[in-house]
Amino acid sequence: IAGITQAPTSQILAAGRRMTLRCTQDMRHNAMYWYRQDLGLGLRLIHYSNTAGTTGKGEVPDGYSVSRANTDDFPLTLASAVPSQTSVYFCASRQGGGNSPLHFGNGTRLTVT
Amino acid sequence: QKEVEQDPGPLSVPEGAIVSLNCTYSNSAFQYFMWYRQYSRKGPELLMYTYSSGNKEDGRFTAQVDKSSKYISLFIRDSQPSDSATYLCAMQGSQGNLIFGKGTKLSVKP
Repeated sequence: IAGITQAPTSQILAAGRRMTLRCTQDMRHNAMYWYRQDLGLGLRLIHYSNTAGTTGKGEVPDGYSVSRANTDDFPLTLASAVPSQTSVYFCASRQGGGNSPLHFGNGTRLTVT
Repeated sequence: QKEVEQDPGPLSVPEGAIVSLNCTYSNSAFQYFMWYRQYSRKGPELLMYTYSSGNKEDGRFTAQVDKSSKYISLFIRDSQPSDSATYLCAMQGSQGNLIFGKGTKLSVKP
């Protein structure tokens, strides 16, 4: 079944450690996104990529970095994790353009201790 | 004022009830309006998608957009326990990324 695969599904991480959340899509979508979802705050955009080779900052980019070497993969890296980065992280993609819907993965639950 | 406002609930209704979920927004440039459903420990999934003002019906679900009032609604008829989830409204922002409401948690009791 085509879709978005995120890994790991959950992780407990010590503060100060580096972590990469993986996201792969097999729908050949141009645009990909990373969101974090926190209780009471909803979904907030971290970084996005409109096409392979380009990335942009969203609403809450500090402490995170992304790369888009190819169409299918869009990893999110926390260089030095802090407890405030405890959240559920969702990767999403869409074909591009304002009239195409977002498709989401099932998320990575990250706890930073 | 936040760009999108959504009552977080929780909302609890008996099975068979009509459910009304709502969002207001402040940016008159929004053109595309969506409703996502999110089950516990899952990613959001697209439920309804509308463009401009008016109604769109899909089975038991009706999405309504009133651009003059900057108000969108999702109606669920004959609600079922399987409708229990968090419902997120979303609207397209100026850069093409979506602006989400915080979500309304719905519980349909058998």
